Amino acid sequence: DVKVTQSSRYLVKRTGEKVFLECVQDMDHENMFWYRQDPGLGLRLIYFSYDVKMKEKGDIPEGYSVSREKKERFSLILESASTNQTSMYLCATIEGGHTEAFFGQGTRLTVV
Amino acid sequence: KNQVEQSPQSLIILEGKNCTLQCNYTVSPFSNLRWYKQDTGRGPVSLTIMTFSENTKSNGRYTATLDADTKQSSLHITASQLSDSASYICVVISSNAGNMLTFGGGTRLMVKP
Repeated sequence: DVKVTQSSRYLVKRTGEKVFLECVQDMDHENMFWYRQDPGLGLRLIYFSYDVKMKEKGDIPEGYSVSREKKERFSLILESASTNQTSMYLCATIEGGHTEAFFGQGTRLTVV
Repeated sequence: KNQVEQSPQSLIILEGKNCTLQCNYTVSPFSNLRWYKQDTGRGPVSLTIMTFSENTKSNGRYTATLDADTKQSSLHITASQLSDSASYICVVISSNAGNMLTFGGGTRLMVKP
């Protein structure tokens, strides 16, 4: 079974803090994604990566950055957390055959 | 622009009843379509995959259909259970690296006793 593990289920941070969300997958997938999910807006792509050290902006990259130093790990960084970044964050991977996307359990981030 | 639209947005049914969720898509190039179930506060989990050549596929009480000509898919849930209460998300997977996953907005299903 493919495992996509996000470092935290719930996180509470203060405005202005630097926040790291980690995602680790164990199936050697090349493609990894970070989404945020908000009521009424569905899943929106923040960043994705198709290889180590490669990254591409998604639809809403502002206020975020990413790091992919190793194939199995894709980190999302909130440089200076703001209250409008309170959301559910989902990490996903997809294998080379593009037949299935696997999701982490999600991180519910609250910025106060 | 690639789009996936789902209907209805929300649905309430009584336990034991059947229901059908709809998904219309305009995604190119199309690789496959998956239905995911997402329980509250959890990540989505795949229920079934539909490839271009498949019309119908069942997974227990879930039956998915795909009409590649009209670009429509449906998810039929038979004899609903309370544990079916969740969001159901239609995801179209493309072979294009730039827009690999296109998500529908989801249908929020509530099954009441």
